Amino acid sequence: KAGVTQTPRYLIKTRGQQVTLSCSPISGHRSVSWYQQTPGQGLQFLFEYFSETQRNKGNFPGRFSGRQFSNSRSEMNVSTLELGDSALYLCASSLISIQRGHNEQFFGPGTRLTVL
Amino acid sequence: AQSVAQPEDQVNVAEGNPLTVKCTYSVSGNPYLFWYVQYPNRGLQFLLKYITGDNLVKGSYGFEAEFNKSQTSFHLKKPSALVSDSALYFCAVRGPDRRSTLGRLYFGRGTQLTVWP
Repeated sequence: KAGVTQTPRYLIKTRGQQVTLSCSPISGHRSVSWYQQTPGQGLQFLFEYFSETQRNKGNFPGRFSGRQFSNSRSEMNVSTLELGDSALYLCASSLISIQRGHNEQFFGPGTRLTVL
Repeated sequence: AQSVAQPEDQVNVAEGNPLTVKCTYSVSGNPYLFWYVQYPNRGLQFLLKYITGDNLVKGSYGFEAEFNKSQTSFHLKKPSALVSDSALYFCAVRGPDRRSTLGRLYFGRGTQLTVWP
């Protein structure tokens, strides 16, 4: 089985721009979660989508949004980029929602976003 | 509130020696606990998990972890370290309440393991 894929792998943007990141989960997985990883804050949960519905959301401003399509692929969008948004954005998939079970999550390689 | 603490930012160990990466947690009720490893420029890889049952959990690449409820700890261990084990290790916890809107994974800050030859 192919693993979780994320595109693009690297991205450079300037302040004020917006960006869309894409994630394709492992085939059959219906839950997709997004995390932000920075040296200062570590791994922080952004949100989880399951069956095209947002099931949970972390403590991030409304500039961070996401969606999930019927094929379970997910996108996250960050509008009005700030310098502090520079981070590694990780996508993780699992068979069922992390709200309902204890399945492990499988992570993609991440998208490295740099905001100048 | 649910939380995870990894008290050591860095652990250094000689190849062939046993290693321990520490993790303590705080959740209400019985926890679900996970260990992940991250190599440079890679995503996280699942190592093992504790849900219920035997307190000693065996995982990938020869790693194991010991769940201790009284000490609220879930330390990662390996009897004989390899240079290739050098990586960033994350402990994570998820609370047990299926109805909770807080059904998410909480990660520790990570511990950098360096195994020197």
